[in-house]
Amino acid sequence: LAKTTQPISMDSYEGQEVNITCSHNNIATNDYITWYQQFPSQGPRFIIQGYKTKVTNEVASLFIPADRKSSTLSLPRVSLSDTAVYYCLVGDLGTSGTYKYIFGTGTRLKVLA
Amino acid sequence: GAGVSQSPSNKVTEKGKDVELRCDPISGHTALYWYRQSLGQGLEFLIYFQGNSAPDKSGLPSDRFSAERTGGSVSTLTIQRTQQEDSAVYLCASSHRTSWTDTQYFGPGTRLTVL
Repeated sequence: LAKTTQPISMDSYEGQEVNITCSHNNIATNDYITWYQQFPSQGPRFIIQGYKTKVTNEVASLFIPADRKSSTLSLPRVSLSDTAVYYCLVGDLGTSGTYKYIFGTGTRLKVLA
Repeated sequence: GAGVSQSPSNKVTEKGKDVELRCDPISGHTALYWYRQSLGQGLEFLIYFQGNSAPDKSGLPSDRFSAERTGGSVSTLTIQRTQQEDSAVYLCASSHRTSWTDTQYFGPGTRLTVL
């Protein structure tokens, strides 16, 4: 199965921009990259999704290089409420031809006042 | 509209007992996914259903685990002869799965504790 890795943790101060990178060497050709946010005792919540280049929505940007072997989630001007664990998610089309969904190892972001 | 719901929210059981976990996906979503999250760990993919197609069960951790989806809607994850290492939060998600952009929407999870 593909391995999808992220930094274990990051600290930031309020108002700063935070960039979290996910490495996904075995991403499937047609698969999208999705990022989720998870607070304690809750299910993951969708943040942003992209296929290549750059995607931006009201809460984040996602940068994907041409080879798509990594992606970077960018959170502009973080606040204390952004303290959470962030996961990337990609699909892995295994040798059996069926999909398995691989979450990254997760990055615990702590925003400090 | 209503999101993904799961029941029970918490389940405490004794080692060796069977448990059933239920997931109600968002209405109209054709794909349904099960994940497991052990304490302090990341998310482990277990299985997914697309419509009425037979799922790939190779992600299930042992033959004690099984899942079914009736009528293309509600799904049940069954764990037989539970072991302490089965203790985890079991998360369900659903998506439209009409294209490659299948954003998964997660339920709140069922916290399973095996004593």
